Amino acid sequence: KQEVTQIPAALSVPEGENLVLNCSFTDSAIYNLQWFRQDPGKGLTSLLLIQSSQREQTSGRLNASLDKSSGRSTLYIAASQPGDSATYLCAVGSGGGADGLTFGKGTHLIIQP
Amino acid sequence: DTGVSQDPRHKITKRGQNVTFRCDPISEHNRLYWYRQTLGQGPEFLTYFQNEAQLEKSRLLSDRFSAERPKGSFSTLEIQRTEQGDSAMYLCASSLGWAGGVGEQYFGPGTRLTVT
Repeated sequence: KQEVTQIPAALSVPEGENLVLNCSFTDSAIYNLQWFRQDPGKGLTSLLLIQSSQREQTSGRLNASLDKSSGRSTLYIAASQPGDSATYLCAVGSGGGADGLTFGKGTHLIIQP
Repeated sequence: DTGVSQDPRHKITKRGQNVTFRCDPISEHNRLYWYRQTLGQGPEFLTYFQNEAQLEKSRLLSDRFSAERPKGSFSTLEIQRTEQGDSAMYLCASSLGWAGGVGEQYFGPGTRLTVT
């Protein structure tokens, strides 16, 4: 059974810092990995999708990497802003696309103005 | 099309009542997923449709839960004889799928269920 772990569970940093969120998964037979953000009481907003054949994806100040063999992904946020404050969720897809995504518990991020 | 929509956004019901939620996916997406999220946890997969066919059900989906996607368009999730443990956010997502791959999942705003 796939398990996803996110470290740290919570993080508070001053505005402007670069930061890294970590995600690990137990079964390397994945077909893709997605990073989401979730604001309190809201649905999920997709940030980046990495297919299993890819090593990284970039969107604006965000960069996500994938090392499938070691079961790890990182989300790098450059020049953090207060608007980046949210819970960041890592999710992996496996089972030929039929099993849905398996999520971690998330990293609760606070950017201090 | 502005994204995945869900209705209602909030539902309060008494234990033992039946409830039904609706999800309208992005129109060109052939795959539709239901998830459940409780406080402080990541979403948990419940079930999945490709077009109108329900292809996968999690063991979390007890016999009191049923989902349909008639004509491969919108989907409904019904919970019969609700219990307090059913209180959660119910999330719907859709994506494009093709032979050997699947694209990005886009989520709706969710339906928050409170069972009293």
